[in-house]
Amino acid sequence: GQNIDQPTEMTATEGAIVQINCTYQTSGFNGLFWYQQHAGEAPTFLSYNVLDGLEEKGRFSSFLSRSKGYSYLLLKELQMKDSASYLCAVRAPGGGADGLTFGKGTHLIIQP
Amino acid sequence: NAGVTQTPKFRVLKTGQSMTLLCAQDMNHEYMYWYRQDPGMGLRLIHYSVGEGTTAKGEVPDGYNVSRLKKQNFLLGLESAAPSQTSVYFCASSYSLEGTQYFGPGTRLTVL
Repeated sequence: GQNIDQPTEMTATEGAIVQINCTYQTSGFNGLFWYQQHAGEAPTFLSYNVLDGLEEKGRFSSFLSRSKGYSYLLLKELQMKDSASYLCAVRAPGGGADGLTFGKGTHLIIQP
Repeated sequence: NAGVTQTPKFRVLKTGQSMTLLCAQDMNHEYMYWYRQDPGMGLRLIHYSVGEGTTAKGEVPDGYNVSRLKKQNFLLGLESAAPSQTSVYFCASSYSLEGTQYFGPGTRLTVL
């Protein structure tokens, strides 16, 4: 089975930096995704990690430690439009019904 | 390219009624998925397809049926709707099982 934990809600200030953590316990591992979802909209892809380390993409970075079952999404220079839910999802080997399991999402609130 | 589209966007059903949700993608993706998203539950996989003419059960398949008669379309059917099926339904597609999933805009279904 799969279990993914992330904080329910976080608050940060415009212009600041925020780190959203995700821990997972899975029967296998074949990659971790981060998605952004604005209220009432579809999830959109942010990043993908399959090897340990940091992946940087503009203001967003994602880190993975497979030995610790841990990932984080780092958002820099926060903007009001970054207010959204951030979904962590883990892929298990073989895809299919166990292919992609989503966490419940972290609702990020950006304050002026 | 339109990406992934879903129809309808909203629907209200009475208990026991049936309906079909349509998902279409123009990215020539082999893999398609149906998820439901409920408050506090995260995205959960209902059914998926690994190619035209194939379907398989996901995490929460009961009460739903699917068909993939054409590569670009994936239909989700509710034969006898129940209030527990009130949810937001998202369709997604990917080029491969390991690939990024791209989501449609969602269908908000209410069953009274």
